[in-house]
Amino acid sequence: DGGITQSPKYLFRKEGQNVTLSCEQNLNHDAMYWYRQDPGQGLRLIYYSQIVNDFQKGDIAEGYSVSREKKESFPLTVTSAQKNPTAFYLCASSGWREKTDTQYFGPGTRLTVL
Amino acid sequence: AQSVTQPDIHITVSEGASLELRCNYSYGATPYLFWYVQSPGQGLQLLLKYFSGDTLVQGIKGFEAEFKRSQSSFNLRKPSVHWSDAAEYFCAVGAGNNDMRFGAGTRLTVKP
Repeated sequence: DGGITQSPKYLFRKEGQNVTLSCEQNLNHDAMYWYRQDPGQGLRLIYYSQIVNDFQKGDIAEGYSVSREKKESFPLTVTSAQKNPTAFYLCASSGWREKTDTQYFGPGTRLTVL
Repeated sequence: AQSVTQPDIHITVSEGASLELRCNYSYGATPYLFWYVQSPGQGLQLLLKYFSGDTLVQGIKGFEAEFKRSQSSFNLRKPSVHWSDAAEYFCAVGAGNNDMRFGAGTRLTVKP
């Protein structure tokens, strides 16, 4: 079964801690993305990666970091510099052949700062 | 820059009734348009997409959407709503793989 997995489903963080959210895909997609979702708002792009070992900032990258060492994996670290990290985080992947390839989403991770 | 507006934050319909969810976009060129559905605590599932061609697009779960360039709209419709359709629906416009803009969503409640 091809798809995108995210772990953990729920994550609790104390203030001042860094936490890492996992995202894995077996769709053989070149591109991967991280979005943040807050209640009553659409999705906002944090980072994206078009290819292994390359990634670019999205609209709200401050306080976040990513890596792309393998095609299948795109972990997101929420650092202590992120002032308001409580949110629902969604990972997505797509091809990169058309102008806008369809993005497919994982089930999400809900992060809560205690 | 492109943007998406979903004018209705919350819609309630009776089971078996028809449904139309509105989506208006702002984009200078021919847009790539998408509708996604999200159940509580879940990721987004693609319902349908429009890139070019026939302006009436069929999707999964009996949904369809019509692209109207003159109105900058891409409204989602379903002739008969089922209780399982209760969810949040997002319209999105793409100007590039790294430039997808999502609406704020419309929450659908289905009355028995």
